[in-house]
Amino acid sequence: DAGVIQSPRHEVTEMGQEVTLRCKPISGHNSLFWYRQTMMRGLELLIYFNNNVPIDDSGMPEDRFSAKMPNASFSTLKIQPSEPRDSAVYFCASSLGANVLTFGAGSRLTVL
Amino acid sequence: AQSVTQPDIHITVSEGASLELRCNYSYGATPYLFWYVQSPGQGLQLLLKYFSGDTLVQGIKGFEAEFKRSQSSFNLRKPSVHWSDAAEYFCAVGARGSGGSNYKLTFGKGTLLTVNP
Repeated sequence: DAGVIQSPRHEVTEMGQEVTLRCKPISGHNSLFWYRQTMMRGLELLIYFNNNVPIDDSGMPEDRFSAKMPNASFSTLKIQPSEPRDSAVYFCASSLGANVLTFGAGSRLTVL
Repeated sequence: AQSVTQPDIHITVSEGASLELRCNYSYGATPYLFWYVQSPGQGLQLLLKYFSGDTLVQGIKGFEAEFKRSQSSFNLRKPSVHWSDAAEYFCAVGARGSGGSNYKLTFGKGTLLTVNP
């Protein structure tokens, strides 16, 4: 298995632009998580899906952030409009039932 | 709500020395505990986990951790550190999510390990 695949690995954009991060979970996993990592706040859970349904989005910072999971093999995290304070590494992870999370390599976002 | 504290932001050890990284958690029920490692520019890799049973758990790369309920701790240990162990280490506590059988993890802020030759 190729593991959890995230794209892009690096994104540099200007304030106000729309950013879309993509994630392909491990085949057969039924839970998908989006985390954000910053120096100040560490790893924060933004949202997680179970069987493609959003279960808990209480970590999504504000309405500028949205996440979708249209099918079991694809998820997106969108920021519109982006702001400099959104600069971070965004991780996607997947799991099967109560098993452990497998993380992708992350998407490093820089908003100028 | 669950929380994790890793008291040491940065630890430096010499190669071959023993290592202990501290982790304290707060959770109202039996915790599910994890240690992950992150190398620069990489995602997080699972080192070991505790769900139940024997309180001393063995992981990959020669790491072990001991769950102590009375101290709300899950410290990570390695008897002899290698230069390749230099990385950031994260402790996490898992809570059952509202979706049923799946878990969401709450992470500590991490401990950066530097290994001197």
